[in-house]
Amino acid sequence: EVQLVESGGGLVKPGGSLRLSCAASGFTFSTYSMNWVRQAPGKGLEWVSSISTSGISAYYADSVRGRFTISRDYAENSLYLQMNSLRAEDTGVYYCARGRTPDVWGQGTTVTVS
Amino acid sequence: DIQMTQSPSSLSASVGDRVTITCRASQGISNYLAWFQQKPGKAPKSLILAASNLQSGVPSRFSGSGSGTDFTLTISSLQPEDFATYYCQQYNTYPLTFGGGTKVEIK
Repeated sequence: EVQLVESGGGLVKPGGSLRLSCAASGFTFSTYSMNWVRQAPGKGLEWVSSISTSGISAYYADSVRGRFTISRDYAENSLYLQMNSLRAEDTGVYYCARGRTPDVWGQGTTVTVS
Repeated sequence: DIQMTQSPSSLSASVGDRVTITCRASQGISNYLAWFQQKPGKAPKSLILAASNLQSGVPSRFSGSGSGTDFTLTISSLQPEDFATYYCQQYNTYPLTFGGGTKVEIK
């Protein structure tokens, strides 16, 4: 079964850091670009960051560039999001999602900055 | 950045109704458009990619059309399980961008 499972969310003070993880299974991880998409409470979907299949290219929303870093580990079949200098407006559910479309989503992990 | 504008932002409809949601891109994106369905407290679900290609397992009452800047998601006969929020997303260029969403509610 194709599956993405996020972890690492929690409550953090403004200015703090968190590292989100996404464990991928059931597909060949190295052949898909991967994304982080977030959703603030009661709001719509916001793309945060993507990483290429090779891991060489990374893309960021203007709102997180310079503060967040996306990475992937092929041995662990995992995607990561290092989040630094967190702000209240970073609060929300963070989803890991497969591919540029994207066609498979995790269940999400909640980040609260307060 | 490419802006995606969905309309309407919400609609009320009855079971059996035909529902149409529109998504407009601020510049041409060919057919690099996806549609998603999201129910409260759940992750989004992929419905359509490449503007008109139904994902496996998605009921045939869902259809997508369009190219360039104007796109449409149609539900031919609304079912109880279709009440949800729908989002379009362009994947022509980074940054990837989503529409603001259309909430489909029960009339």
